Parts: sequence; structure tokens; C-alpha cells
Amino acid sequence: QQQVKQSPQSLIVQKGGISIINCAYENTAFDYFPWYQQFPGKGPALLIAIRPDVSEKKEGRFTISFNKSAKQFSLHIMDSQPGDSATYFCAASGSEKLVFGKGTKLTVNP
Amino acid sequence: DTGVSQNPRHKITKRGQNVTFRCDPISEHNRLYWYRQTLGQGPEFLTYFQNEAQLEKSRLLSDRFSAERPKGSFSTLEIQRTEQGDSAMYLCASSRGDRGLLWQETQYFGPGTRLLVL
Repeated sequence: QQQVKQSPQSLIVQKGGISIINCAYENTAFDYFPWYQQFPGKGPALLIAIRPDVSEKKEGRFTISFNKSAKQFSLHIMDSQPGDSATYFCAASGSEKLVFGKGTKLTVNP
Repeated sequence: DTGVSQNPRHKITKRGQNVTFRCDPISEHNRLYWYRQTLGQGPEFLTYFQNEAQLEKSRLLSDRFSAERPKGSFSTLEIQRTEQGDSAMYLCASSRGDRGLLWQETQYFGPGTRLLVL
């Protein structure tokens, strides 16, 4: 049972481009939506998080867009850099545990 | 460094052996979580502690798995009679715990323990 669906599975963008990763959820009890970045051999690190009472949140080059009625949220990475190459996970929580998507492997070519 | 630490970082064991992993959370974080991550997948929740109390366990946590958090500080995760299907990265995370403020909910992950069962 996959409660958070993430797409695409992999993404290749050129340096300076915009990377967009999408997630959809089913459980309307979810009220916390973080995005994590993970490099090989490392644990996930929080990038940015949002609650459903706002439709957008921006931190630096990273923006979350949230559509409560569609039960969808997305991560936009502006001016993508080679150092952004990593796996990105969306997640959702309505209690204590995080439910993660399957991840998107982002490659930013120089 | 005040981040979450996990030991060992890598563990290779033979099927049927017991293994134990340790997690040291960020100081003053009263919640501690264990997740399992297999190749190409996102982390999956196993269990969590509020101080020393284990409050929730996933169905993934079979009776061969046991977790403890004595005195509400570090935690251990033991796997008895390991199976090849137990091969995965075991991640520990901690948080301040209060769900009122967004920053207090943030779960900070350690580097993980990668287990290989031969």
C-alpha cells in the first residue's frame, strides 16, 4: 500500500534549469509534508517542509507548491546545479511517522 | 557535532546470526524513530519512542526485531536470526516531538547502518 506516490523516478536537467518533482497522497489526515535530499551513503536531510494551510513555500532555490483539493504537492528547484544531483524524497505525516515516496534520482549536467 | 549518530555504519553477518545497532539522537530530542530503507525505495517506518516508551510499531517489525531506548537516551535495534531479506539500510531519526510548530516536527536522520546478510 503506497500512500505517497512520487514521480518521475529519475530526472535529468541541465545546469541552470528547473527541476520539478511531483507527489500525490491519499490520506486526508496528512498535515505535514517535508521534502528530503539524500546523497549516496548518507541519511536523508530535510530540505523544506509545508503544512496544508499554505499553497506555496519558498526557501532559497527550493519551492514547495501544495494543492490541497487535488492532494498533490511538488518540489521546484530553480537554477539547478550539479551539486543538487541526489535522490529526493517527498514524505507525509499525520501522526508521528513519516510516509515516504519512492524517490526521484536527479542528475544535473554541467 | 550534535547530529544523530549510528553505529556501526556497516555490518556483514551470516544468516541466522543476531545483530544489534545503536543510535544516539540529538541531545534533548525526546522522540526517536527507526526506519528501514532498501535499494531504490524510500525509508519505511519501523517504530518510534517518546522518551523511553515505545509508542508505535510497524507491521514490518516482526518478532525477530526488538528495539529499546533505556532512560530515553540512545536506542538499540536488535535483529535475531537474521534472514537475507533483512539486508537494508537501517536509519535512525530524532525530533523534538511537539507537533505544534513546523520546526519541532522535523526529523533529523543519522547516516544509517547498512546491513548485509549473507
